[in-house]
Amino acid sequence: DVKVTQSSRYLVKRTGEKVFLECVQDMDHENMFWYRQDPGLGLRLIYFSYDVKMKEKGDIPEGYSVSREKKERFSLILESASTNQTSMYLCASSFRVGRVYTFGSGTRLTVV
Amino acid sequence: GIQVEQSPPDLILQEGANSTLRCNFSDSVNNLQWFHQNPWGQLINLFYIPSGTKQNGRLSATTVATERYSLLYISSSQTTDSGVYFCAVELNSGYALNFGKGTSLLVTP
Repeated sequence: DVKVTQSSRYLVKRTGEKVFLECVQDMDHENMFWYRQDPGLGLRLIYFSYDVKMKEKGDIPEGYSVSREKKERFSLILESASTNQTSMYLCASSFRVGRVYTFGSGTRLTVV
Repeated sequence: GIQVEQSPPDLILQEGANSTLRCNFSDSVNNLQWFHQNPWGQLINLFYIPSGTKQNGRLSATTVATERYSLLYISSSQTTDSGVYFCAVELNSGYALNFGKGTSLLVTP
């Protein structure tokens, strides 16, 4: 089975800090995605990537950036964390467009 | 963008009951998936079903792409079925899954 691993389960950061959320998949998937999940809003797409060094904005990219230097790793970066970025962050990967997604177990980030 | 509407938003069942969850979407899609999110937040893929019918144990799903809806059936529900069920779709011209807001299911003993 494909495994998608997110480096932290829970994270507490201070306002203004630069925050890195890491995601690694082990099945040579082309596509990787970052979503955030908030009560009442469901899952919203932040950024995605179809290939190494390639990135595309999703629906809510403001305040975030990403990095994909290697195929298996997709990092989400909060340039200057703010309290409204307190959320559950979910990483996913898929073999290609239109195929099954596999999600990581999520990182619950609190910004104080 | 594409609209994904799930109903009902909340559902409470007694163990052993059956239920049907619905997902309506507003455009043609090439990808539709149902997920279950457990109480710890993990999203598990239940079905990849852009069209047709599939069954997996007590769960089955049907997607009628021409009428833009999908149904998830849960039979003989168990307490472990509790959690949030999400429908997610990807446009034919799209690039990533768009999620509905989910159906929160509680199965009581």
